[in-house]
Amino acid sequence: KNEVEQSPQNLTAQEGEFITINCSYSVGISALHWLQQHPGGGIVSLFMLSSGKKKHGRLIATINIQEKHSSLHITASHPRDSAVYICAVAGNQFYFGTGTSLTVIP
Amino acid sequence: NAGVTQTPKFQVLKTGQSMTLQCAQDMNHEYMSWYRQDPGMGLRLIHYSVGAGITDQGEVPNGYNVSRSTTEDFPLRLLSAAPSQTSVYFCASSLGEKLFFGSGTQLSVL
Repeated sequence: KNEVEQSPQNLTAQEGEFITINCSYSVGISALHWLQQHPGGGIVSLFMLSSGKKKHGRLIATINIQEKHSSLHITASHPRDSAVYICAVAGNQFYFGTGTSLTVIP
Repeated sequence: NAGVTQTPKFQVLKTGQSMTLQCAQDMNHEYMSWYRQDPGMGLRLIHYSVGAGITDQGEVPNGYNVSRSTTEDFPLRLLSAAPSQTSVYFCASSLGEKLFFGSGTQLSVL
């Protein structure tokens, strides 16, 4: 049973495209994180959301608590955005999605 | 403020060997945890701790031990390494909803 489901699993985009990654969860949470992991690299938290919407540069994250759903959007995608994006929810422990592998082609 | 420091970055073991993965944080976080990351499976919780002297098992604890003698340190011990423990390991610490990861340890068990 997966408490956190992400889609798509893999995504290839042309540079400049608008990208959306979705996350649905089934547990009660106090917050949701969007994490980024570059190949061979560590994991960093891009956003922490408990409601509404946050924006950092070209990245926008939204959450709908009632529908238990969050989206991560990347505007004007760039090859340096190529990474695995992981949705993590903070319930009684942290639960993680399996990640979305994004490749942005120049 | 170094964040979460995890060592080593790479390790190769033979079946049956033991080793300790080190994890330290300087942010005074109460909650620390160890995860393994395997292809297609996402991060799975091995053990966690909600404070010094308190540890508990996660989803995949077999073959691993932990201790938490101080707030700062949370080492993960492999008692008798098996090839099934070949994975990438991450230590994390959190306070409230803030979440920080170590840089990871790539472990191969031959």
